Formats: sequence, C-alpha cells, structure tokens
Amino acid sequence: ILNVEQSPQSLHVQEGDSTNFTCSFPSSNFYALHWYRWETAKSPEALFVMTLNGDEKKKGRISATLNTKEGYSYLYIKGSQPEDSATYLCAFKAAGNKLTFGGGTRVLVKP
Amino acid sequence: DAGVTQSPTHLIKTRGQQVTLRCSPKSGHDTVSWYQQALGQGPQFIFQYYEEEERQRGNFPDRFSGHQFPNYSSELNVNALLLGDSALYLCASSLGGRLSNTGELFFGEGSRLTVL
Repeated sequence: ILNVEQSPQSLHVQEGDSTNFTCSFPSSNFYALHWYRWETAKSPEALFVMTLNGDEKKKGRISATLNTKEGYSYLYIKGSQPEDSATYLCAFKAAGNKLTFGGGTRVLVKP
Repeated sequence: DAGVTQSPTHLIKTRGQQVTLRCSPKSGHDTVSWYQQALGQGPQFIFQYYEEEERQRGNFPDRFSGHQFPNYSSELNVNALLLGDSALYLCASSLGGRLSNTGELFFGEGSRLTVL
C-alpha cells in the first residue's frame, strides 16, 4: 500500500498572505507527482504534473517544487486571494502503477 | 469541447440494493478511471478501463464492477450496497491506457451516493 500524506489537513490564510503546504510520498519507484485543485461543487482540475527531481513549475501565483530523492513536494501560493480557496490534492504515481491520492489540504482564504 | 460528464449527480439507495453510475469521458480520451471519495479522505482508486478491459484494480471487493463501451463511456456498478458505500464517486478520463502514461486526469463532478 502506497502512503501519500498531505499536511496540514487544513489552513486559514489571510488575503494577501503567502502560504505553502506539503505532500509526502514514497521515495522509491517514483514516476510522476500530480497536483490538483478542487473547488467546492466543481471537479478537481490539474495544476501540475511533475516527473523530474528538482522540477519547479509555476502557474500564475501558484508554484510547486519536487524532491523525489527524499519524497516530498511543496505547493506555494503567493499573495493568496479568496478564489484560491479550495482543496489541493497531490497524487503519486509509481512506475507501472495507478495514481494514489493524498487526503488533501483544504485552504480557506479570508478577506 | 465536452468535458467529463457523470450521471446521476445524486442518488439515494437502501442497503442491499444495486446501483449503476455512468461516465462519459472528455472528447478524445480513451481511458476511464473510477475513484471513491469518502468524507474527509482523498479519492481512493477503484479501477481503470482501457480498450473495454479492466487494466488495474484498487483494493475494493468484487461487489464493485465496471464496464467500458466501444464509445469509451463507462459504468460503475455496486451490488449489495452497504452503509459504508456512501461516498462521492468520481470518474476521470485520460488519454492512452499505458501504465507508463504520466498524463493528467480530467475529472467529472461526481455522483453522490447515499446508502440508508
């Protein structure tokens, strides 16, 4: 059983502040790491698909880093806005295997 | 460009009944995966279908079965429903059923099943 952990489970951020949270995954047999954003009453949408150790990806104010050797990825939100409120899911893929999701980090941005 | 569509959006069943959930993948996608999301947890992989065959299966009992049709749409069937089957069932489509595929998943909005 693959263990994908996300922390914290939830966090409150003041509008304009920056924040980050973690996804931990097995450091062996790595193939890919996905990040999804899931807004209430909508479907999860992909933010990033990361495959290389040291990879950094950015989309607007959101960015992610990847360390496959130690088994973690960080997601950063710069200058949080109310529309960033969502659950952020990471998913780990081992070689020849399915995507395994973490439990998510629920972010609430307060105006 | 039609995204992933699921039906029904909500349904209520009683213990012991059977349910069928339906999914149409994003246009051009040939692979469908099903996930169960219980309250407070991340999505749990049920199974994946490609070329009308189940390619991989998660840790779910045989009460959970599926099917993929020639047009790539898919059904999830759950027999002998238990209270614990109450969850949001998500369908996700992708392109290329190879297990080496790293491509992103495109999700539907889910079917919310309540078992009483």
